[in-house]
Amino acid sequence: DGGITQSPKYLFRKEGQNVTLSCEQNLNHDAMYWYRQDPGQGLRLIYYSQIVNDFQKGDIAEGYSVSREKKESFPLTVTSAQKNPTAFYLCAISDTFGGYTFGSGTRLTVV
Amino acid sequence: GEDVEQSLFLSVREGDSSVINCTYTDSSSTYLYWYKQEPGAGLQLLTYIFSNMDMKQDQRLTVLLNKKDKHLSLRIADTQTGDSAIYFCAGLSNNNAGNMLTFGGGTRLMVKP
Repeated sequence: DGGITQSPKYLFRKEGQNVTLSCEQNLNHDAMYWYRQDPGQGLRLIYYSQIVNDFQKGDIAEGYSVSREKKESFPLTVTSAQKNPTAFYLCAISDTFGGYTFGSGTRLTVV
Repeated sequence: GEDVEQSLFLSVREGDSSVINCTYTDSSSTYLYWYKQEPGAGLQLLTYIFSNMDMKQDQRLTVLLNKKDKHLSLRIADTQTGDSAIYFCAGLSNNNAGNMLTFGGGTRLMVKP
């Protein structure tokens, strides 16, 4: 994945539980992003961070939280407030010519 | 902000050419991109074009950009079954938050043997 790693690949969440998705990069890039993808749908931006210790809400931030304590790590927490969390979650970094490099994704399912 | 639109679905026969179309609204987009997503995987960058170019060719891929009409297309020559995937176009814009990509909804390409 070009130096960006998402884990786990599959995650199961019980009702009312918070879960955290990991995104790590070793490319020393500043900007990182979280997207949600539903079946047959495009990408929707959840949160993004342009620099360490700073992050901004995207289009669908409700029910999610993030932190950016280290440059290489941008974890996403899906809280119990997110009523429909089942989806495919993609993390990305902004590369040198402006495009994004994506991780391989985490598929979250509510059981 | 930027709005990017794509048709949902395209079906072609193996060996034919595929053309996937995209329209965008932000004329200040500096770069435009095509990504490919295979089932259960992340998005993989296929190619990109700088906004001052009209065309870019990379092996079987040809990107055409019509800035006047804000229209971008991706042509895949000699389409193979392995090309079956979802294709996303994206435009790069700069706003107060820095550089941001806006993605289209994706076009699902089905290649029939």
